[in-house]
Amino acid sequence: EPEVTQTPSHQVTQMGQEVILRCVPISNHLYFYWYRQILGQKVEFLVSFYNNEISEKSEIFDDQFSVERPDGSNFTLKIRSTKLEDSAMYFCASSDGLAVYNEQFFGPGTRLTVL
Amino acid sequence: AQKITQTQPGMFVQEKEAVTLDCTYDTSDPSYGLFWYKQPSSGEMIFLIYQGSYDQQNATEGRYSLNFQKARKSANLVISASQLGDSAMYFCAMSSTFTGGGNKLTFGTGTQLKVEL
Repeated sequence: EPEVTQTPSHQVTQMGQEVILRCVPISNHLYFYWYRQILGQKVEFLVSFYNNEISEKSEIFDDQFSVERPDGSNFTLKIRSTKLEDSAMYFCASSDGLAVYNEQFFGPGTRLTVL
Repeated sequence: AQKITQTQPGMFVQEKEAVTLDCTYDTSDPSYGLFWYKQPSSGEMIFLIYQGSYDQQNATEGRYSLNFQKARKSANLVISASQLGDSAMYFCAMSSTFTGGGNKLTFGTGTQLKVEL
């Protein structure tokens, strides 16, 4: 069964450093998402991406965040200058349609720890 | 704006018993979807069940069923014959379209379910 993969599973970084979180969505999916979950809290939408551009972003997704689909398979989330409060689990998701009934398939997540 | 409310931070259930996890929602969209995800301690998000706002029948997937009451704006998850492996965090989420196309999920705060012998 096709699945979304994410690397690395755990990333530790120093405050102020740049990190890139990588995702490989399901191959025939066209819509991509990033969510984050601060430890013990709910999952929050960050950004959606379609046709090589951002469809929507939340207020969390400020100028220090960016997303990119550098090739036909990867989808990346870059945090330019990490802060302590960026420590969270980051989930990538993909779907094959825009309708409300289209399931979003989640990757296993990358746990980011900012020291 | 969409909002999902899960009022039960923690629930206990005996093995083989049924349990209901509550979820209420608020939206002004006429078309929306409701999802339940399971998050075990390992952290991944596992899709369980989906209910569309226009679906006439309640969704079922194996031991999972969704008690959808549109007028009350509730979408409770029922797990029948609980198993030890059901111990996990459960999130209710709502999908909605937004201007510019696309879809995003709005999550509740989750319910931690523990299944006991």
